[in-house]
Amino acid sequence: DTEVTQTPKHLVMGMTNKKSLKCEQHMGHRAMYWYKQKAKKPPELMFVYSYEKLSINESVPSRFSPECPNSSLLNLHLHALQPEDSALYLCASSRDRMDRRFFGPGTRLTVL
Amino acid sequence: AQKITQTQPGMFVQEKEAVTLDCTYDTSDPSYGLFWYKQPSSGEMIFLIYQGSYDQQNATEGRYSLNFQKARKSANLVISASQLGDSAMYFCAMREGLGTGGFKTIFGAGTRLFVKA
Repeated sequence: DTEVTQTPKHLVMGMTNKKSLKCEQHMGHRAMYWYKQKAKKPPELMFVYSYEKLSINESVPSRFSPECPNSSLLNLHLHALQPEDSALYLCASSRDRMDRRFFGPGTRLTVL
Repeated sequence: AQKITQTQPGMFVQEKEAVTLDCTYDTSDPSYGLFWYKQPSSGEMIFLIYQGSYDQQNATEGRYSLNFQKARKSANLVISASQLGDSAMYFCAMREGLGTGGFKTIFGAGTRLFVKA
């Protein structure tokens, strides 16, 4: 299994809602990532988990809360988002920090 | 600070012809890795090819090859025999080797490739 899965594929939420994005991989990768990608722009790193511990937080607002319950699963909890947070959210994993990233299909988030 | 530059916002190529997508980078880390990813309109980032800074030979993966010129700090992607399915956004990316820098893959602005029938 060389796949990273993400759910949901699409999400529409209001600014007062609480929602979560889910990412899963079964490749035994010990590094997992969240990226945010606005239209026609490159992905921007948000968070990195290494061995289930948060290694990097790229100064992301606290309305985004990551969680890594186990080595296969990565969540991104969303609360009180703004319309400018609408974007494609990509999850990725890698064997280690040096290896290439395996990306999931992404969640297209729209905040109304 | 590391930096990745892709100077071609859009490129057109005729089907079955070869095309080169440019990428230059800047880093002071002697140990780094360079990647190319393809992103179709569906959104998924697809890994194409990797070149390590210490690799002596240019990387090749099927129709993809990486023209690595270390002194010039360039890592151009060559796609041979273009196919209609190659139409997509292409990102050059780099990660450094020191400490947590390896986790921070930085992406260029991307090049949109259009393959004409």
